[in-house]
Amino acid sequence: EPEVTQTPSHQVTQMGQEVILRCVPISNHLYFYWYRQILGQKVEFLVSFYNNEISEKSEIFDDQFSVERPDGSNFTLKIRSTKLEDSAMYFCASSGPGGAGNTIYFGEGSWLTVV
Amino acid sequence: AQKVTQAQTEISVVEKEDVTLDCVYETRDTTYYLFWYKQPPSGELVFLIRRNSFDEQNEISGRYSWNFQKSTSSFNFTITASQVVDSAVYFCALSEADTNAGKSTFGDGTTLTVKP
Repeated sequence: EPEVTQTPSHQVTQMGQEVILRCVPISNHLYFYWYRQILGQKVEFLVSFYNNEISEKSEIFDDQFSVERPDGSNFTLKIRSTKLEDSAMYFCASSGPGGAGNTIYFGEGSWLTVV
Repeated sequence: AQKVTQAQTEISVVEKEDVTLDCVYETRDTTYYLFWYKQPPSGELVFLIRRNSFDEQNEISGRYSWNFQKSTSSFNFTITASQVVDSAVYFCALSEADTNAGKSTFGDGTTLTVKP
């Protein structure tokens, strides 16, 4: 069964450093997402991406964050000047045509620890 | 704005008991989608079901069943004859219909512990 893959599975970074989380969505999917889950809390929407641009973003997704689809297969989340409160599990997800009406497939997550 | 409430923070049952996880949602849209996800201790999010707002038929899949009631804005999830492997955090989520964005709002989750 096709799946969304994410790398790294776990990254530890020092406060103030930049991190890039990588995702390979399911190949024929058109919509891509990043979600965040702080330990013990709910899953929160960060951003959706369609047709090579951001289609929607949450209040969490400020100038510190950016997304990119650099080569037609990868979908990356960049976090600049990381803060302690950025420590969380970051989930990439993708869905086919139809947006909200389609099942969203999640990757296994990238656990980011900022120290 | 949309909102999902899972009032039960934690539930503990003994194996073979039936358990119902509650989900109440708020939305101004007439077309929307409801989801349930399972998050086992390993951390991944496992899709369980999607239901659109026009389909109020209840659904059964093995030991899992879902009761969608638009009149009470609820989408409850029942596990029959629970097993230890059902222990996980369960999230209910809502997406408003939008041709471009599958933005989902998640509830806070219900932690289910099934004891042997």
